[in-house]
Amino acid sequence: SQKIEQNSEALNIQEGKTATLTCNYTNYSPAYLQWYRQDPGRGPVFLLLIRENEKEKRKERLKVTFDTTLKQSLFHITASQPADSATYLCADAQSNFGNEKLTFGTGTRLTIIP
Amino acid sequence: EAGVTQFPSHSVIEKGQTVTLRCDPISGHDNLYWYRRVMGKEIKFLLHFVKESKQDESGMPNNRFLAERTGGTYSTLKVQPAELEDSGVYFCASRSSGGLNSPLHFGNGTRLTVT
Repeated sequence: SQKIEQNSEALNIQEGKTATLTCNYTNYSPAYLQWYRQDPGRGPVFLLLIRENEKEKRKERLKVTFDTTLKQSLFHITASQPADSATYLCADAQSNFGNEKLTFGTGTRLTIIP
Repeated sequence: EAGVTQFPSHSVIEKGQTVTLRCDPISGHDNLYWYRRVMGKEIKFLLHFVKESKQDESGMPNNRFLAERTGGTYSTLKVQPAELEDSGVYFCASRSSGGLNSPLHFGNGTRLTVT
């Protein structure tokens, strides 16, 4: 079965630098890969989605890339700010005969240091 | 628009007791999901409703868990009898139609502690 791996449990980045988070999948290429942000005590909040046939997606200071050869998605936050500190989750969105679900990674806890 | 709301936010019960979690999705969202995160693990799928019908309940751990969505609006998830390993955070999420390229909207979860 598909496994989503976010290898960095925690990442500390200096304010103003670019934070890069990694998401690897083990089996088939996700049709859609979604990225969420989760703050302590809150539910995940959707950030960006990238399709299998897309190489890159941007939204303001956020950028997601998708490399099917490496079985990897990278999530970048440019000009990082302390308010970007949170746990970031990637998820494989699967659909199988109408059965739809997300398979999540364990997340990367990002801390932006002022 | 109001987001997904879950009640209670926290629940502490003893092993063997019953607990019922409630989720109110965003109005008009036909798709409703339950997910769970146990300590140190990833968020895992439990089940998926489309309106009042269970579309996929392959993630339900065992028959001590019962989910309902009468009338296709709010949903409840009952655990009876609760065991220690049921402790975790239970998230509800909803989505409008549009397939997996539309995002899920999550509630803030119910933290369940079974002692």
